[in-house]
Amino acid sequence: ILNVEQSPQSLHVQEGDSTNFTCSFPSSNFYALHWYRWETAKSPEALFVMTLNGDEKKKGRISATLNTKEGYSYLYIKGSQPEDSATYLCASISNFGNEKLTFGTGTRLTIIP
Amino acid sequence: DGGITQSPKYLFRKEGQNVTLSCEQNLNHDAMYWYRQDPGQGLRLIYYSQIVNDFQKGDIAEGYSVSREKKESFPLTVTSAQKNPTAFYLCASRGTGTTNEKLFFGSGTQLSVL
Repeated sequence: ILNVEQSPQSLHVQEGDSTNFTCSFPSSNFYALHWYRWETAKSPEALFVMTLNGDEKKKGRISATLNTKEGYSYLYIKGSQPEDSATYLCASISNFGNEKLTFGTGTRLTIIP
Repeated sequence: DGGITQSPKYLFRKEGQNVTLSCEQNLNHDAMYWYRQDPGQGLRLIYYSQIVNDFQKGDIAEGYSVSREKKESFPLTVTSAQKNPTAFYLCASRGTGTTNEKLFFGSGTQLSVL
């Protein structure tokens, strides 16, 4: 994988249901993987920064896992709420000391009340 | 309050004109970034800077120029060579002290061509 890819591109989920989506990134020279939430009319905000293979991070109802050997990360949202509606972006950094972050195209999540 | 400020919020460019987008941060961050977003696409990196007086081209640098004369400031100039400048531009900054440093984003500038 040469680029950062996210799937699905968009997702509609019923309020109360749980959901997950995927970020794929180049596994060679991996340094860090970022997840951001971007709500309409606001600036993107960081959810997680992950660096270690097998790492799992949690923030309230949102959690993320990381597999650096195969080059993917999953973001999970448990018990979706309307305020979870946003575009979720992931970005990877390759090579220690290089601060270049490359973003995927995002997953647009809409929660249906 | 610490943060990152972009101005203006909306900008209009005439044909053949250069325009400059401002980005200022008071977070004492070393790294700063410019991204462009087009409808239906993700954030694409234009330029980034890891330290004062140094910057690197991103994936779509053609038609853009930057400077990093001060740690706090990273202005982006959209030159007349950029043939399709209409887009939403986001500036971001990041500390480089640890591997877990996250990006902080400005509120963006919407650039349109008259």
